[in-house]
Amino acid sequence: DAGVIQSPRHEVTEMGQEVTLRCKPISGHDYLFWYRQTMMRGLELLIYFNNNVPIDDSGMPEDRFSAKMPNASFSTLKIQPSEPRDSAVYFCASRNGLTYEQYFGPGTRLTVT
Amino acid sequence: DAKTTQPNSMESNEEEPVHLPCNHSTISGTDYIHWYRQLPSQGPEYVIHGLTSNVNNRMASLAIAEDRKSSTLILHRATLRDAAVYYCILRDEFSGGYNKLIFGAGTRLAVHP
Repeated sequence: DAGVIQSPRHEVTEMGQEVTLRCKPISGHDYLFWYRQTMMRGLELLIYFNNNVPIDDSGMPEDRFSAKMPNASFSTLKIQPSEPRDSAVYFCASRNGLTYEQYFGPGTRLTVT
Repeated sequence: DAKTTQPNSMESNEEEPVHLPCNHSTISGTDYIHWYRQLPSQGPEYVIHGLTSNVNNRMASLAIAEDRKSSTLILHRATLRDAAVYYCILRDEFSGGYNKLIFGAGTRLAVHP
């Protein structure tokens, strides 16, 4: 199995631009999670889906952030408009509902200038 | 959420055992103890979890105190690849909390050749 796949691995954009991060979960996993990691705040859960339905988005910072999961094999996290404080590493993770462990992708390093 | 306390950093020599402590004095009866680790420039990866009894898997062992107010992750023979940040996380299975992993600062383990 290829594991959780994220793209792009690195993204540099200017303030005000729209940013879209992509994630392909492990096949057969019915939970998908988006996390953000910064030096100041550590690793934070933003939102998670179960069977493509958003279950808890209480970690989403503000309305500039949105996440979708149109099907079981694809999810996006969009930031519009982006701000320098959004600079972070964004991780996607997935889980099989029958087990406890979450499997994380390699992350997308976002830099907003 | 129950709080965990871990040392900021620890050091070990290659091929020696490593004992990573975690204090969780406010743990509830339904909280599972999870350990994840994050290698440099990678996403976190699951290590092990347990409830009351000690647990072993191919990666590590988890020793849980009888009163469950502390636990220790044991790496039996540290390798250079074990250098990572180790996170101790408490999750309540019955509230669905095992989906919401809350990462603290963790313990940064350095392994010397």
